[in-house]
Amino acid sequence: DVKVTQSSRYLVKRTGEKVFLECVQDMDHENMFWYRQDPGLGLRLIYFSYDVKMKEKGDIPEGYSVSREKKERFSLILESASTNQTSMYLCALSAGPNEKLFFGSGTQLSVL
Amino acid sequence: AQKITQTQPGMFVQEKEAVTLDCTYDTSDPSYGLFWYKQPSSGEMIFLIYQGSYDQQNATEGRYSLNFQKARKSANLVISASQLGDSAMYFCARETSYDKVIFGPGTSLSVIP
Repeated sequence: DVKVTQSSRYLVKRTGEKVFLECVQDMDHENMFWYRQDPGLGLRLIYFSYDVKMKEKGDIPEGYSVSREKKERFSLILESASTNQTSMYLCALSAGPNEKLFFGSGTQLSVL
Repeated sequence: AQKITQTQPGMFVQEKEAVTLDCTYDTSDPSYGLFWYKQPSSGEMIFLIYQGSYDQQNATEGRYSLNFQKARKSANLVISASQLGDSAMYFCARETSYDKVIFGPGTSLSVIP
């Protein structure tokens, strides 16, 4: 089975802090995604990467950046955390087009 | 932004009955994939079923089937013989160009004994 590891299950940060969310895969899959999940809004795509150092903005990239220096690791960065970034963050990956997504267990981030 | 609509925020179904969860989407892509995922209260995301836009037949996986109507841009999930364990959030998703996958807002399904 594909393993998708998100570094923290729960995280509490202060407004203005720089926050790093890490996602690591144990396969060699090309596509990696960051979503945030909020009640009533479903999963919204923040950023997507289809290869090392390659990234595409999703629907809600504002306030976020990403880094993919190695194929197995995709990091989401909140440059200056704000309270409206309190959410569940889900990392996912796929082997390619038309392939199902494998999800991490999520990070519940609270920004106070 | 390309959008996926799930018009039923919450639904109830009697155990052993069938239920249809609606999904419509907008797209101008000539080729795309459609997915359904289940998220129980534990939070894990479980892949249920996939439909390619050029597939000739509607997809089926056990008790799950997809009622795909390409011209209407709809991809409804049908769950037959509902079980208590089917109580969960259900998300419709579509793969856009460049392999991006976007999700709808979800439908909360409750199965009543």
